[in-house]
Amino acid sequence: KQEVTQIPAALSVPEGENLVLNCSFTDSAIYNLQWFRQDPGKGLTSLLLIQSSQREQTSGRLNASLDKSSGRSTLYIAASQPGDSATYLCAVKSVSRLTFGEGTQLTVNP
Amino acid sequence: NAGVTQTPKFRILKIGQSMTLQCTQDMNHNYMYWYRQDPGMGLKLIYYSVGAGITDKGEVPNGYNVSRSTTEDFPLRLELAAPSQTSVYFCASSYPQQGENYGYTFGSGTRLTVV
Repeated sequence: KQEVTQIPAALSVPEGENLVLNCSFTDSAIYNLQWFRQDPGKGLTSLLLIQSSQREQTSGRLNASLDKSSGRSTLYIAASQPGDSATYLCAVKSVSRLTFGEGTQLTVNP
Repeated sequence: NAGVTQTPKFRILKIGQSMTLQCTQDMNHNYMYWYRQDPGMGLKLIYYSVGAGITDKGEVPNGYNVSRSTTEDFPLRLELAAPSQTSVYFCASSYPQQGENYGYTFGSGTRLTVV
């Protein structure tokens, strides 16, 4: 059974800081890994999708990496802004299903 | 292109009542899913479907039923609502072929409270 863990559970940083969110998974037989953002009371917004054959993906200030063999992914956020405050969820796609971590709640203080 | 649409957005049910959460997608995705998210937690898979007429249980199916009569619609049925079913429910869909490297698209959620 696939298990996904995200560390830390919560993170508070000052504006402008670069930061890294971590995601680990137990079964390396995955198709892809997806990072989502969730604002309070809202749905999920897809940020980045890394396919199993890829090592990283970038979108603006976001960079996600994938090391399938070690079961790890990181989401790097450069020059953080208060608008980045949200919960970030990592999800791993295996056969027929997507397994989520419990998320990292990020607060960026002005 | 509306993506994944869920209705209603909010609902309060009394214990023992029943209701159907609606989900429809217009992207011709074969795969559809229902997740629940409890406060401060990740999403847990309730049921999923790989195509019209085919459904299967996820991690937490007890107390729920689904049907998939068309590619577009995947309703979730609660027959006898219980307080433990208070949660936010998300419907999602993904592109056709199993194993293809496509991501998921999520609806905006239904916030259900059972009192």
